[in-house]
Amino acid sequence: GENVEQHPSTLSVQEGDSAVIKCTYSDSASNYFPWYKQELGKRPQLIIDIRSNVGEKKDQRIAVTLNKTAKHFSLHITETQPEDSAVYFCAASIGSQGNLIFGKGTKLSVKP
Amino acid sequence: SQTIHQWPATLVQPVGSPLSLECTVEGTSNPNLYWYRQAAGRGLQLLFYSIGIDQISSEVPQNLSASRPQDRQFILSSKKLLLSDSGFYLCAWRDHSGNTIYFGEGSWLTVV
Repeated sequence: GENVEQHPSTLSVQEGDSAVIKCTYSDSASNYFPWYKQELGKRPQLIIDIRSNVGEKKDQRIAVTLNKTAKHFSLHITETQPEDSAVYFCAASIGSQGNLIFGKGTKLSVKP
Repeated sequence: SQTIHQWPATLVQPVGSPLSLECTVEGTSNPNLYWYRQAAGRGLQLLFYSIGIDQISSEVPQNLSASRPQDRQFILSSKKLLLSDSGFYLCAWRDHSGNTIYFGEGSWLTVV
């Protein structure tokens, strides 16, 4: 079945620096790749997503890139701020129902 | 607009006691519904999903069960809780025509 690997598990950056989180997936049929942000004790919330017919997508300070050949996708956060501190999850869709399989998460800490 | 609610928000249950977590979605019809579990500091594990009333698929064999007695109601149950059932349980929904999964507020379960 589908397996989603996410790295690193923890990431600490200085405010203003960039942060990059990488994920790989195993099922070449996956065609939808969302990223979720989860603040402590709260529900995961979608921050950006990308479909397999697109290589890159940007939304202000956040961008996602997808390499279907290599089966990996990445989240890029520029000009990080303390409020970006959270756990970030990548996911990939599987099967005809489009269910999501999640990576194990990356705890991002942005130090002021 | 669509909303999702789940309850209770927190509960502490003794080992061997039953469990019932309830989730309802408003503002949409015939959604796909999901139950995820998140153990402390870990990723999101898909437990059950449902594409319609009384149509439940289990992703992980365990002592939990799910039911969907109405179109927008999804219930997670157990007859006898184990210590390992402790965690953060998240209900989620997806429109049949879309890809994005939206999470409920979550329920913290501590089995003692």
